[in-house]
Amino acid sequence: GAGVSQSPSNKVTEKGKDVELRCDPISGHTALYWYRQSLGQGLEFLIYFQGNSAPDKSGLPSDRFSAERTGGSVSTLTIQRTQQEDSAVYLCASSSGKDEQYFGPGTRLTVT
Amino acid sequence: GQQLNQSPQSMFIQEGEDVSMNCTSSSIFNTWLWYKQDPGEGPVLLIALYKAGELTSNGRLTAQFGITRKDSFLNISASIPSDVGIYFCAGRLRGGSNYKLTFGKGTLLTVNP
Repeated sequence: GAGVSQSPSNKVTEKGKDVELRCDPISGHTALYWYRQSLGQGLEFLIYFQGNSAPDKSGLPSDRFSAERTGGSVSTLTIQRTQQEDSAVYLCASSSGKDEQYFGPGTRLTVT
Repeated sequence: GQQLNQSPQSMFIQEGEDVSMNCTSSSIFNTWLWYKQDPGEGPVLLIALYKAGELTSNGRLTAQFGITRKDSFLNISASIPSDVGIYFCAGRLRGGSNYKLTFGKGTLLTVNP
């Protein structure tokens, strides 16, 4: 079946603008994760959604970052007033809760 | 936050050679995972380990969950050009949330044909 999809694959934006990144998890997966991957670094946990439970937002680096998951499926990560240090690959993953995480291809964000 | 020390950072090897990489931590983990990431793609799970001392193979790949529960290694035998990529270890901390993974910084593998 279809894997995790993310859009856009690449986004170039000017400093100060807002961006929205989208994630479509694998159908039926109740858990959804967002990570940030900076050059030469491992994956940095941002936020976790599980069903109807309150999300774990403990990894969001600042209040400019927010995420929502509508209808328990699609998720949107929003970065307001982007800064150059926000440039990174943003990865989304989903899982059924009974197995490990499946990752999407990521969105490469460049803030100029 | 918790850190996983992954080494080496990068490796340049000839096709056919064996490869070994490892992750260590000062904390105890109850799950160790190994992922591979190709350029422009997300990480793909290679091997999952859930028990101290567990040794698991997936084709030419073998990984072990260290007895101390603070380390894991991944071996690739008889490397081929398509093994090129970034390999990440990841783990779940004992006593931590059952969903949160801690990632190493990755090992960049280059295979010369």
